[in-house]
Amino acid sequence: GAVVSQHPSRVICKSGTSVKIECRSLDFQATTMFWYRQFPKQSLMLMATSNEGSKATYEQGVEKDKFLINHASLTLSTLTVTSAHPEDSSFYICSGRILSTDTQYFGPGTRLTVL
Amino acid sequence: GENVEQHPSTLSVQEGDSAVIKCTYSDSASNYFPWYKQELGKRPQLIIDIRSNVGEKKDQRIAVTLNKTAKHFSLHITETQPEDSAVYFCAASDNYGQNFVFGPGTRLSVLP
Repeated sequence: GAVVSQHPSRVICKSGTSVKIECRSLDFQATTMFWYRQFPKQSLMLMATSNEGSKATYEQGVEKDKFLINHASLTLSTLTVTSAHPEDSSFYICSGRILSTDTQYFGPGTRLTVL
Repeated sequence: GENVEQHPSTLSVQEGDSAVIKCTYSDSASNYFPWYKQELGKRPQLIIDIRSNVGEKKDQRIAVTLNKTAKHFSLHITETQPEDSAVYFCAASDNYGQNFVFGPGTRLSVLP
């Protein structure tokens, strides 16, 4: 149980375009979803926390107008990278957490390459 | 806020030997400590976790110990196998995982 999917797994886009990444909890209701960014050989850095039906809480230094997060249902959260630039190239991973528990279940990640 | 340190950053062991990875945290309010294993290009997978009301937990070849007074916790892998080679991350969070902070990771290599 506790499976999280993420789509797409890999995306290449041109600089200036927007990219949407979907994160779905397949067999549980994720009242809270987290979005992380991971650079090569580095740890996971939390970008934002989103609770279903409310605005996301962004970590310091993360531009909320650039990384748009929507958590419209208990099983779906989306991250949109707007006006992407090469420095946005990274591995983006989402995770979901079941209400009143503390364990996070991770999606498989999306590798974004901005040309 | 919470700060999690992890040592060593890289660790090489011979197959069959034990591996120990140590983490320290700063926030005394943290009470949940999971360990994740991440293979190259893949998602972090939860391998074991411990909560502050216990001092040790074991699952087959993997064990975790927690010292709340000293604010450190450790992962122990016994009888290591080549498939244990991966990056291991510790993390600490408070109630309901609201503040989930990862350590920088340890790259474990198990040599055949």
